Amino acid sequence: GAVVSQHPSWVICKSGTSVKIECRSLDFQATTMFWYRQFPKQSLMLMATSNEGSKATYEQGVEKDKFLINHASLTLSTLTVTSAHPEDSSFYICSARRGDYGYTFGSGTRLTVV
Amino acid sequence: GQQVMQIPQYQHVQEGEDFTTYCNSSTTLSNIQWYKQRPGGHPVFLIQLVKSGEVKKQKRLTFQFGEAKKNSSLHITATQTTDVGTYFCAGAGTASKLTFGTGTRLQVTL
Repeated sequence: GAVVSQHPSWVICKSGTSVKIECRSLDFQATTMFWYRQFPKQSLMLMATSNEGSKATYEQGVEKDKFLINHASLTLSTLTVTSAHPEDSSFYICSARRGDYGYTFGSGTRLTVV
Repeated sequence: GQQVMQIPQYQHVQEGEDFTTYCNSSTTLSNIQWYKQRPGGHPVFLIQLVKSGEVKKQKRLTFQFGEAKKNSSLHITATQTTDVGTYFCAGAGTASKLTFGTGTRLQVTL
C-alpha cells in the first residue's frame, strides 16, 4: 500500500517552455503532498507543501510564480515549472504521507532544460 | 530555520564491515525518520522513531533516537553490497514538514 506515482520520469525541454509534473497517490487519499528538488549528490530540499483545495505553501526562496502547484483532488498534485531555464534542471520528487507513518515518495522526475 | 546535519558525508567499507551514520538537528524533533536512496532512485522509507531514547532494529540495521530528541544514528552490522546507497535522516517539525539531513553515501566493495 501507500503508492505514489509520479509522471513523467524524465523530460527534456527547451528554455522558455513550461513543464508539468504529476504526482498521484494511487491507493490512498492525500490532503497534503510535498514537492522536493534534489541536485546531484545533494540532499532533498523542500520546495512547497501542496494542500488539497487551497493554495500551496512555499518555502523561503522558492518562486511561487515560477513553480505553480495545483492540488485539485485528494489524489493528484501537479507542479508546473514555468519558463524553464537551464538552472531549473534538477530531480523533482513528490511525497505524501499515509496516516501516522512515514512518507512515500514518487519515483521522481529528472528535468533537463536545454 | 531548522538544520539537520549528517556525518560522515561519505564512507567506503568492505563487505562485512560495520557502518554508522550520525544525524544532528539544530532543533528538537517530534520524530525522526530514516530513508535510503539508491543511485538514480528515490528515497525509500526505512523507519520512524518517536520516543526519546528509542532504539529499533530491522535485521542488520539499528536505529537510535537521542534522549534530547535532537540526534539519531543508524548502524549497519556486517554490510553487504546491497546496502549501497545514500542514507538520509529526516526530522519532522511543524506542519508535518520533513527537513532532510545532508545524507551519508555508503559504498560497499567486496
